[in-house]
Amino acid sequence: DTGVSQDPRHKITKRGQNVTFRCDPISEHNRLYWYRQTLGQGPEFLTYFQNEAQLEKSRLLSDRFSAERPKGSFSTLEIQRTEQGDSAMYLCASSLASGETQYFGPGTRLLVL
Amino acid sequence: SQKIEQNSEALNIQEGKTATLTCNYTNYSPAYLQWYRQDPGRGPVFLLLIRENEKEKRKERLKVTFDTTLKQSLFHITASQPADSATYLCALGLESDSWGKFQFGAGTQVVVTP
Repeated sequence: DTGVSQDPRHKITKRGQNVTFRCDPISEHNRLYWYRQTLGQGPEFLTYFQNEAQLEKSRLLSDRFSAERPKGSFSTLEIQRTEQGDSAMYLCASSLASGETQYFGPGTRLLVL
Repeated sequence: SQKIEQNSEALNIQEGKTATLTCNYTNYSPAYLQWYRQDPGRGPVFLLLIRENEKEKRKERLKVTFDTTLKQSLFHITASQPADSATYLCALGLESDSWGKFQFGAGTQVVVTP
């Protein structure tokens, strides 16, 4: 399968713990995006990368959140000192820089107790 | 304030009929608009894109219209099938040279019954 993959698919953690999610985009895609989606809402843009450069971050991305894409391939999203309000589905998507279509992964569902 | 509004109530429709979904927006000037399908527990899947200078786009049984004066897009599924049951999201692309910076609506659930 050459689609976008995310790991883990589910994560349960206690408040205050750190969590890290991984996204592997489609191999030839140089843009990678992170979104957060809560129940009954659409995905909210968090940040995106072109190759290894993080080009934009949403105001939603507090300083507890950090994303990296060190070699321009896979990306990680880390949440430090998790809060119950961080419980959501975290979606990753990728696209070609000139493309009009984003391909989404299956998401990582986070539950903070 | 900026808003993207989609029907919050589920659309229940009989197989074979046409489902019509709306996406209204305020205080945005999108360069393009996209529609995605999302099944429970899965990521959205791209369906159609329409640019600000286009009135209508079609793909198989799907049709999208875009009226920048009314600030509205309509999404039609013709000859609907139970397999079309899902949540449909509209997404506004806000910058013509920054593909990928989307603002999503909350989505409308469609339920097609045999």
